[in-house]
Amino acid sequence: AQTVTQSQPEMSVQEAETVTLSCTYDTSESDYYLFWYKQPPSRQMILVIRQEAYKQQNATENRFSVNFQKAAKSFSLKISDSQLGDAAMYFCAFHYNQGGKLIFGQGTELSVKP
Amino acid sequence: ETGVTQSPTHLIKTRGQQVTLRCSSQSGHNTVSWYQQALGQGPQFIFQYYREEENGRGNFPPRFSGLQFPNYSSELNVNALELDDSALYLCASSGKTSGLSTDTQYFGPGTRLTVL
Repeated sequence: AQTVTQSQPEMSVQEAETVTLSCTYDTSESDYYLFWYKQPPSRQMILVIRQEAYKQQNATENRFSVNFQKAAKSFSLKISDSQLGDAAMYFCAFHYNQGGKLIFGQGTELSVKP
Repeated sequence: ETGVTQSPTHLIKTRGQQVTLRCSSQSGHNTVSWYQQALGQGPQFIFQYYREEENGRGNFPPRFSGLQFPNYSSELNVNALELDDSALYLCASSGKTSGLSTDTQYFGPGTRLTVL
């Protein structure tokens, strides 16, 4: 069965510093897509970054980058220069066929201290 | 280009009642997926509709049903509501649109359902 595990229920970071959120997953598929979504208190799930499993290069979106280790089935999110607006619940997710169902982890709640 | 919208924002029902939740997909998207998110949990996949046909279903009973219309908007219907159905219901759309891939799902703001 495909599963996603986020081992850090809560994380805290000082404003302007860097934080890394962990995610591991389990799948027997070789082609899949990985995502990080952010869910602020407003509840809307917002896409942060995506990674295709067949690409070796790690995805980057401004202050957000991933460390994708396919053999280890690890997909961590690094947030640089953390801002107060980054405070939210972060979910790691994947699907193994194009447009298929997303499988989510339990989430990591990130707080940012001024 | 409009994003994914959902209605209503909040809803309170009593056990045994029926409810319909609505979702309008992002312009150009032809696929809608529904998720249930219990408090403190990650979203769980309910089902997906592609071009008006069900295209995959999660581990939810038949009292959860759906519909997709020719304009790709969608409804989620839940019959015989139970207390455990209290959750945030999220709709996500995906599909080919100019410059974007087919595999990324974009979410609406959700409907908070409370069953008393």
